[in-house]
Amino acid sequence: NAGVTQTPKFRVLKTGQSMTLLCAQDMNHEYMYWYRQDPGMGLRLIHYSVGEGTTAKGEVPDGYNVSRLKKQNFLLGLESAAPSQTSVYFCASSPWMGSSPNYGYTFGSGTRLTVV
Amino acid sequence: EDKVVQSPLSLVVHEGDTVTLNCSYEVTNFRSLLWYKQEKKAPTFLFMLTSSGIEKKSGRLSSILDKKELSSILNITATQTGDSAIYLCAGGNNNNDMRFGAGTRLTVKP
Repeated sequence: NAGVTQTPKFRVLKTGQSMTLLCAQDMNHEYMYWYRQDPGMGLRLIHYSVGEGTTAKGEVPDGYNVSRLKKQNFLLGLESAAPSQTSVYFCASSPWMGSSPNYGYTFGSGTRLTVV
Repeated sequence: EDKVVQSPLSLVVHEGDTVTLNCSYEVTNFRSLLWYKQEKKAPTFLFMLTSSGIEKKSGRLSSILDKKELSSILNITATQTGDSAIYLCAGGNNNNDMRFGAGTRLTVKP
């Protein structure tokens, strides 16, 4: 049982380059999330999705776009990378809150992105 | 604006000590308070608390929520080096969104 899988695990980008981070979950979860984690800042929500074909902005959405064309996948795109986007990115998923008394997130193992 | 504040930000103890980590929250349409442990990679779920005064326990870890004070504590007794990690607290609302605190970095020395 894979849970939540993120690819790639590491990436170095030059300023202005674009890239897409892929998140895949095999738990049939409705909700998916992208967070970034910076030292001393905890986890901050970038974008999230409450179901296939839906997306919504989180706390720090600027500079990122997302898509959820299939229920199991949630893509995070950086159109023109900036050094301020150097961070560790975590994807997470959770079931619909009404379906489970425990809707704690399941996290992927993270993507360490460096923008130079 | 919703926020979750954890204290202390870092803590160094010796094996066998007992520690208490604090979390206070201001979350609109609050539903639950969650604790996670983060070692080298992904955060792993510890507890979810929805009711005041009911302690949740798992081995040497326990946690309790105080909705009146908008706070929660995580206790770890008889600490071990394997407890060294960042402990994250998160406040969840009715939309299944979670606001995370900055975390408490716990270091347990042998």
